[in-house]
Amino acid sequence: GESVGLHLPTLSVQEGDNSIINCAYSNSASDYFIWYKQESGKGPQFIIDIRSNMDKRQGQRVTVLLNKTVKHLSLQIAATQPGDSAVYFCAENRGGSYIPTFGRGTSLIVHP
Amino acid sequence: EPEVTQTPSHQVTQMGQEVILRCVPISNHLYFYWYRQILGQKVEFLVSFYNNEISEKSEIFDDQFSVERPDGSNFTLKIRSTKLEDSAMYFCASSERSGRFSSYNEQFFGPGTRLTVL
Repeated sequence: GESVGLHLPTLSVQEGDNSIINCAYSNSASDYFIWYKQESGKGPQFIIDIRSNMDKRQGQRVTVLLNKTVKHLSLQIAATQPGDSAVYFCAENRGGSYIPTFGRGTSLIVHP
Repeated sequence: EPEVTQTPSHQVTQMGQEVILRCVPISNHLYFYWYRQILGQKVEFLVSFYNNEISEKSEIFDDQFSVERPDGSNFTLKIRSTKLEDSAMYFCASSERSGRFSSYNEQFFGPGTRLTVL
């Protein structure tokens, strides 16, 4: 079965709001996680990553939180902009592998 | 900014025909990958390639698939006898290195080739 999945297939927010996209994983051997953004007609684009020995990592307007106790990953986008509209995938690298296993994706729609 | 390019953007073929999807990875990258994404579904790993040989492949990558780096710039995916279920977006990606936990591992994806098998 799948080891990576998303709680919400679609998330609609207003411009300027903060967005939170969630992801659950079930493989406790996963030790590296990545968030990708996929805009329409384009390939996935790396946003931010986190190792399993961390519980939080911040980038520019984005924060990834990792809760290993409940095997949950989230992506927070501050002050969401229309350009953030895309499908967001979480992916996990299982221990010993450098190949990401992708989840299904959440569509983020930002209304101006 | 360097980017991965793929051609064609859309390929339509008849079932049973051979197709070759082409990719030009970023020039200083050494690791190359193919993924596919069936419409509305998740991205699935197919194969990784380094030093002119396959380094890892998934169960999807059966004998109908092959990869090649015919020259110093192109990286190709061949499907020998296409099936209806091969219809998908195919993404090529490249990375500078394969090491985990390193920014050099970041995989850069191309825009994809949409393959439609009729």
